[in-house]
Amino acid sequence: QVQLVQSGAEVKKPGASVKVSCKASGYTFTSYAMHWVRQAPGQRLEWMGWINAGNGDTKYSQKFQGRVTITRDTSASTAYMDLSSLRSEDTAIYYCARDRGGTGDFDYWGPGSVVTVSS
Amino acid sequence: EIVLTQSPATLSLSPGERATLSCRASQSVSNYLAWYQQKPGQAPRLLIYDASNRATGIPARFSGSGSGTDFTLTISSLEPEDFAVYFCQQRSNWPYSFGQGTKLEIK
Repeated sequence: QVQLVQSGAEVKKPGASVKVSCKASGYTFTSYAMHWVRQAPGQRLEWMGWINAGNGDTKYSQKFQGRVTITRDTSASTAYMDLSSLRSEDTAIYYCARDRGGTGDFDYWGPGSVVTVSS
Repeated sequence: EIVLTQSPATLSLSPGERATLSCRASQSVSNYLAWYQQKPGQAPRLLIYDASNRATGIPARFSGSGSGTDFTLTISSLEPEDFAVYFCQQRSNWPYSFGQGTKLEIK
């Protein structure tokens, strides 16, 4: 069965960077894109970007352009989301979510990784 | 960016009742709209894609309709496990965007 396992909670200071991982199993990793979506307290879900796990192509929301980098390691079936220049507003749960076959909606989600930005 | 507005913010119903949730887009998204269910402490779960198609394993009491800018998620007869938050999401335009959610609570 499809499983996405994410890295644990992180506490970071403003200005730092965080890297969240998402290890996939139960399917051919390179056959599906992976998205990153975050949920800040009291806010709606927010799409950050995605990676074509096959060729490594990426696309980012303009809101995060320049601060977010999504990569993958095909040998480890793992996707990564790196967010830099953290500020308090980046405190959120960060989810990886598998793309439903090149469509842009999300059929499997990871459990989420809590990132807290605090001085 | 396409803004999705969901209504009502909270819906109070009893098990066995019919639930109707709305999602309106700020511009046409064709039928590129999905619905998700989220329970406390859990990740969202895909219910409906392309406005009206049930995802794998989703019970038939969940149905979706609409196109363009107005969409509806209907739960025909509420089960206790259906009380949760529901989000809509569009994939018509970058950046993909979500509605603010409707909380379905037990009356």
